[in-house]
Amino acid sequence: DQQVKQNSPSLSVQEGRISILNCDYTNSMFDYFLWYKKYPAEGPTFLISISSIKDKNEDGRFTVFLNKSAKHLSLHIVPSQPGDSAVYFCAASEGLQGAQKLVFGQGTRLTINP
Amino acid sequence: SQTIHQWPATLVQPVGSPLSLECTVEGTSNPNLYWYRQAAGRGLQLLFYSVGIGQISSEVPQNLSASRPQDRQFILSSKKLLLSDSGFYLCAWSRDRRIYEQYFGPGTRLTVT
Repeated sequence: DQQVKQNSPSLSVQEGRISILNCDYTNSMFDYFLWYKKYPAEGPTFLISISSIKDKNEDGRFTVFLNKSAKHLSLHIVPSQPGDSAVYFCAASEGLQGAQKLVFGQGTRLTINP
Repeated sequence: SQTIHQWPATLVQPVGSPLSLECTVEGTSNPNLYWYRQAAGRGLQLLFYSVGIGQISSEVPQNLSASRPQDRQFILSSKKLLLSDSGFYLCAWSRDRRIYEQYFGPGTRLTVT
């Protein structure tokens, strides 16, 4: 049962344009959402996050939008740069005993074309 | 600043052999520690987490085990590897249960032959 889904395995965007990566979730108990960026053979790097009580969080070129009624979040990157080419994972957090469990989507491979 | 280390970076092991992967965190104390696995073409799956020395919780029943012998050391083990244990293993840490962001190590690529 995939609680967090990224339905686009890949996305190709021209340099300078906006990249929009999408993520859907099914569990309404998730209370925090995160985006990670991953290069091959490396661990994921934390990018940006959003609490379930907000609908937008912005950090430089990166903005995350959350639509709770639709159980949907998206990551906007503008303008896109060649260094943004990587696999992007969205993750949702649910509480454990004394810790937080991150449930990850399958990832979307973003390619920025010059 | 905090740093997380994992070793080895790559490992090729035959079926039935034992496994020991190590993870250490520097620059923080009493972190929450996590082991994840990424199978080919899949997202990351949480295997184990630990909120303190000797405290291990398992998320997925499997052929693996974890231990936390010291505050900033987390070890993933197996007595006998299976082919299905192949994957990319990632260790992560977070400050405490109130902090959602987790920070990942560089990972270990395990191939079981």
